[in-house]
Amino acid sequence: GQQLNQSPQSMFIQEGEDVSMNCTSSSIFNTWLWYKQDPGEGPVLLIALYKAGELTSNGRLTAQFGITRKDSFLNISASIPSDVGIYFCAGAPLNYGQNFVFGPGTRLSVLP
Amino acid sequence: SAVISQKPSRDICQRGTSLTIQCQVDSQVTMMFWYRQQPGQSLTLIATANQGSEATYESGFVIDKFPISRPNLTFSTLTVSNMSPEDSSIYLCSARTATNEKLFFGSGTQLSVL
Repeated sequence: GQQLNQSPQSMFIQEGEDVSMNCTSSSIFNTWLWYKQDPGEGPVLLIALYKAGELTSNGRLTAQFGITRKDSFLNISASIPSDVGIYFCAGAPLNYGQNFVFGPGTRLSVLP
Repeated sequence: SAVISQKPSRDICQRGTSLTIQCQVDSQVTMMFWYRQQPGQSLTLIATANQGSEATYESGFVIDKFPISRPNLTFSTLTVSNMSPEDSSIYLCSARTATNEKLFFGSGTQLSVL
């Protein structure tokens, strides 16, 4: 089946630093979603991307749909303690109606 | 967007018993799904809940173990049957909107089986 890879698996950063993480696939996707999950909660949708090259922001978060349609990137600027959590990417394969595939997640820790 | 209410939020159950999880969406959605998230892992799709008909199960999941109902567009249930400790996970209801192809999640049900 289709799989997504996320990098890095985990990261520790200082408060105020910028964060970059990515999601890659061996096949083409036509939609990318980025989620954040806090402990004991369900994933919360942060950003949705629908076109190759698309760059979308949500506050301090910016995500891009890769030109090759096989990857996506999420950046967080000026990190704050509440950014701590697990970030998941999810992609919808090329054929409409197929289910979203989830990456393994990037665990972010922010040091004060 | 879609607001998804899921209950119970957590439960501790005895081996061999069954638990039914309920999911209510606040707006009409095209598709509803059930996911499992094992400790420290990503999300795995259990099945697509189909309105008025049998759910569509992913490889490794069967109806006898995870019976699902969806009597209308906005409500679904997942039952975890004959539970064992290996079923201890977070179970998540999700819904896909008709426009813009977004997938939203409920807050999850944390299940512990003793």
